[in-house]
Amino acid sequence: SQTIHQWPATLVQPVGSPLSLECTVEGTSNPNLYWYRQAAGRGLQLLFYSVGIGQISSEVPQNLSASRPQDRQFILSSKKLLLSDSGFYLCAWSPRYGTPRTGELFFGEGSRLTVL
Amino acid sequence: ELKVEQNPLFLSMQEGKNYTIYCNYSTTSDRLYWYRQDPGKSLESLFVLLSNGAVKQEGRLMASLDTKARLSTLHITAAVHDLSATYFCAVDTAKTGTASKLTFGTGTRLQVTL
Repeated sequence: SQTIHQWPATLVQPVGSPLSLECTVEGTSNPNLYWYRQAAGRGLQLLFYSVGIGQISSEVPQNLSASRPQDRQFILSSKKLLLSDSGFYLCAWSPRYGTPRTGELFFGEGSRLTVL
Repeated sequence: ELKVEQNPLFLSMQEGKNYTIYCNYSTTSDRLYWYRQDPGKSLESLFVLLSNGAVKQEGRLMASLDTKARLSTLHITAAVHDLSATYFCAVDTAKTGTASKLTFGTGTRLQVTL
């Protein structure tokens, strides 16, 4: 079966510090990968998605970047954090191939980032 | 810009009662999803609705999709405390054969009281 892991689970960082959140998927190949952010008490916002190694699509201009160095690894980064970067970051995957393709996303456990 | 609106935003209901959560969206789509989120936790997939008229049921929850009205409902039957959570609907606007692009609703926080 497929599993998705995110780390760290919780992070407290000062303004201006760098960020690296990692996500890996096991039990599947060639997944589509996604980063979402959930601000406190809010809905989810799609930040980035990737359909393959090195292929990143950005949905919202911001202080963050994403990379996919390996097929099942997705990384969210920032060079200098802002207060507004605080939130709950969720990595998700969906099957790229296969029938039927439902478009359903499967989420990791999330990384809670507090920027002080 | 796609808008996905849920109502109510907050619902307090007694155990044993029935209620419906509504999800309206502003663009054409025939793929809609319902997720559950417990406090401080991630999202758990509940239902995948892929065509007009689709109806799915699991336990005390039943979801339906009317693509012509751009409306999905999540019906709760005889609520129990364990159903207390936040429920999100999400609409996929991606073209067929491309990566999913889910836009989430604002969420409905459900509190079931004893």
